[in-house]
Amino acid sequence: DQQVKQNSPSLSVQEGRISILNCDYTNSMFDYFLWYKKYPAEGPTFLISISSIKDKNEDGRFTVFLNKSAKHLSLHIVPSQPGDSAVYFCAASAMGGTSYGKLTFGQGTILTVHP
Amino acid sequence: DAGITQSPRHKVTETGTPVTLRCHQTENHRYMYWYRQDPGHGLRLIHYSYGVKDTDKGEVSDGYSVSRSKTEDFLLTLESATSSQTSVYFCAIREVGGESSYEQYFGPGTRLTVT
Repeated sequence: DQQVKQNSPSLSVQEGRISILNCDYTNSMFDYFLWYKKYPAEGPTFLISISSIKDKNEDGRFTVFLNKSAKHLSLHIVPSQPGDSAVYFCAASAMGGTSYGKLTFGQGTILTVHP
Repeated sequence: DAGITQSPRHKVTETGTPVTLRCHQTENHRYMYWYRQDPGHGLRLIHYSYGVKDTDKGEVSDGYSVSRSKTEDFLLTLESATSSQTSVYFCAIREVGGESSYEQYFGPGTRLTVT
């Protein structure tokens, strides 16, 4: 039972254009969402997050949008750069209680930005 | 830099042998996590710890045990390694406090091959 899904295994984008990575979740208890970026042979690095009380969070070239009714979030990268080429994971957590901050990850999307 | 190291970084072992992976952190974080990354599955939680001697199972805990006898070290043990445990293993810590309480920061990973 995959509670967090990234249905696109890969995405190819031209430098300077927008990259849109998508993520869907099924567990209605999730109320905090994160995006991670991973280069080969390195650990994932935190990019941006959003709590369920917001529908948008922006940090420089990165914006995350949350649609709670659709249980869908997306990461927009504008403009895309070749250095953005990596695997992107979305993750979700249920805050508080006995969750202990555990994260549930999607399968990842490989982003390739062509010069 | 969250001050997380993992050792060894690479290991090849034979089926049936015990293996211990070490995660070491330098900043006194209470929460620590072990994940494995496999193609098509993203990162999956194996075990986590919410304090010294306080640990619990994650999503894929069968065949793994953990120990945390001091704050800075979180050990993952494969009692009798199997080929299905060939994977890349990541340790993570969580900083608590403020708006970023649910972000986890990852170590560089250990690539384990069981032959």
